Amino acid sequence: QAQLVQSGAEVKKPGASVKVSCKASGYSFTDYYIHWVRQAPGQGLEWMGRINPHNGGANSAQKFQGRVTMTRDTSITTAYMEVSSLRSDDTALYFCARENLSGGERTYHWFDPWGQGTLVTVSS
Amino acid sequence: DIQLTQSPSFLSASVGDRVTITCRASQGISRYLAWYQQKPGKAPKVLIYAASTLEGGVPSRFSGSGSGTEFTLTISSLQPEDFATYYCQQFNDYPYTFGQGTKLEIK
Repeated sequence: QAQLVQSGAEVKKPGASVKVSCKASGYSFTDYYIHWVRQAPGQGLEWMGRINPHNGGANSAQKFQGRVTMTRDTSITTAYMEVSSLRSDDTALYFCARENLSGGERTYHWFDPWGQGTLVTVSS
Repeated sequence: DIQLTQSPSFLSASVGDRVTITCRASQGISRYLAWYQQKPGKAPKVLIYAASTLEGGVPSRFSGSGSGTEFTLTISSLQPEDFATYYCQQFNDYPYTFGQGTKLEIK
């Protein structure tokens, strides 16, 4: 079955960068977009952006543009998200998720599966 | 950006109760809406997509309805494992925004 496995927890200092990986298995990696969602402690879910593994095309939410870079390596079916210029409010659990599409007259979307999450802590 | 507003933000209920959570969109999103359940420290799990289509393996006590700007998630008879936080998400347009969440607690 489809599965996404993320890299381990990270502790970074303010101003540093972090790169989180998301290893896909059990499906054709290039057929589905991968999205990134974060969740600050005690807060809700925030969509950050997505990458098309087929061609590497990516777009991110406006608040993250210029600070978030999404890439992929198709040879190892892994997506990456790098966040630069980290601040304390970037402390969060970061998830990757696969976008599913329905068939039929209209195409509907949902996220499944999700990775297990990667905790990024930004602290001096 | 499309804003999703869930109500209530907190809900206290008992096992066996019927509960309904509402998600309102700031503009029409047709039926491009999914519902997720999240437990502490875990990834969200999809329950419903296309506003009312139950994901495979999800118990039939969960149901969704709505289109346009107003949507509901109903749990017909709460079970102990249903106490969690629920989120709606729209797929009408980027960014794919989420509602702020509804925390369902045991009364």
